[in-house]
Amino acid sequence: DTGVSQDPRHKITKRGQNVTFRCDPISEHNRLYWYRQTLGQGPEFLTYFQNEAQLEKSRLLSDRFSAERPKGSFSTLEIQRTEQGDSAMYLCASSLETALYGYTFGSGTRLTVV
Amino acid sequence: AQSVSQHNHHVILSEAASLELGCNYSYGGTVNLFWYVQYPGQHLQLLLKYFSGDPLVKGIKGFEAEFIKSKFSFNLRKPSVQWSDTAEYFCAVPTMDSSYKLIFGSGTRLLVRP
Repeated sequence: DTGVSQDPRHKITKRGQNVTFRCDPISEHNRLYWYRQTLGQGPEFLTYFQNEAQLEKSRLLSDRFSAERPKGSFSTLEIQRTEQGDSAMYLCASSLETALYGYTFGSGTRLTVV
Repeated sequence: AQSVSQHNHHVILSEAASLELGCNYSYGGTVNLFWYVQYPGQHLQLLLKYFSGDPLVKGIKGFEAEFIKSKFSFNLRKPSVQWSDTAEYFCAVPTMDSSYKLIFGSGTRLLVRP
């Protein structure tokens, strides 16, 4: 499979717990984006990387959220002290640097905080 | 800031009916535009994109969209829908800065009845 992979597909966690999601982009894509999608809304930008450098973070990304892309390949998104409002689908997408040809999205990780 | 509006939140059609989904964007400068589709349980997929040139853009699965600069619109059309077109459709515009992150509309959920 040469698409974007995300793991896990679903995560149920108790409020206050930490969770970590992983994204494996298409190997030749040097850009990696994280988005969050809640019910009835379109995806909202969270952050993006070019290679291993995190170049922009949305104001939606509170200090409980951290993302890394240590070797410019896979990325992780960690949420500390989860809250019910964090329940959403977390999408990863990758692209070439120009991104003019669009992104390739993963299937997402659905987080439910109970 | 750029924004995208999709005014039809839910659309129900019978098979063979014609489809037109509205998309309006706010940015007045050079603009690229995308339509993405999300089939139930699947990842976002690119339907079509507009960069420049012919304002009538043809995409996959018989979809097309027309860029009308004077109306700030990029409506998605299909002359005859099929049950398999049941999905959620998102219009998106990338920011024209170095991040090229996507700004999505809220989506239109299409149900095609057989």
